[in-house]
Amino acid sequence: DIQMTQSPASLSASVGDRVTITCRASQGISNSLAWYQQKPGKAPKLLLYAAFRLESGVPSRFSGSGSGTDNTLTINRLQPEDFATYYCQQYYSTPLTFGGGTKVEIK
Amino acid sequence: QVQLQESGPGLVKPSETLSLTCTVSGGSISSYYWNWIRQPPGKGLEWIGYIYYSGSTNYNPSLKSRVTLSVDTSKNQVSLKLSSVTAADTAVYYCARRKVHYGMDVWGQGTTVTVSS
Repeated sequence: DIQMTQSPASLSASVGDRVTITCRASQGISNSLAWYQQKPGKAPKLLLYAAFRLESGVPSRFSGSGSGTDNTLTINRLQPEDFATYYCQQYYSTPLTFGGGTKVEIK
Repeated sequence: QVQLQESGPGLVKPSETLSLTCTVSGGSISSYYWNWIRQPPGKGLEWIGYIYYSGSTNYNPSLKSRVTLSVDTSKNQVSLKLSSVTAADTAVYYCARRKVHYGMDVWGQGTTVTVSS
């Protein structure tokens, strides 16, 4: 199985900040990576796929980068509605696996 | 606009079989992978498996011996059966759509299943 390790597990930030979340795979995943946002009591929402491709309707302040085993989700100019938990997920091979999540809280 | 709706019992007794259905509305079940994912209370996401519209399946090895996925294209439904449940299977269960080289772009609202006597 490919292990996905996210860091940090949580962070505190203010509206307008730039936030970076890292996701490391235990082996190469050839950009087969998706990022999701989950708010309490809600289903996850797809933000990006193929490591850096923005899902339709997702604001451009969200961006993804990286290659090989290390990937990053960046949120520019954090907005109040961005406070949530973020997960990465690899779809390079089965079993599909998720990172442990990063909770973005209000400072 | 495609929507997914999970349904099934919210309470299952230990050792029994959990059965859930995901109904797809507003779109076709064809040409997609239909995934089941679960989330225990306060924890992260775990992929259970997927079924392709043709009926081919792929299961998480950690659950493979207990999981069965099926598809009914005439009803636009996919189903999950998880046997011999224990308290560790208590979770919110989601169904989600995916296509090749893509993330899971449509999710159901999730259904909470509690395993308890």
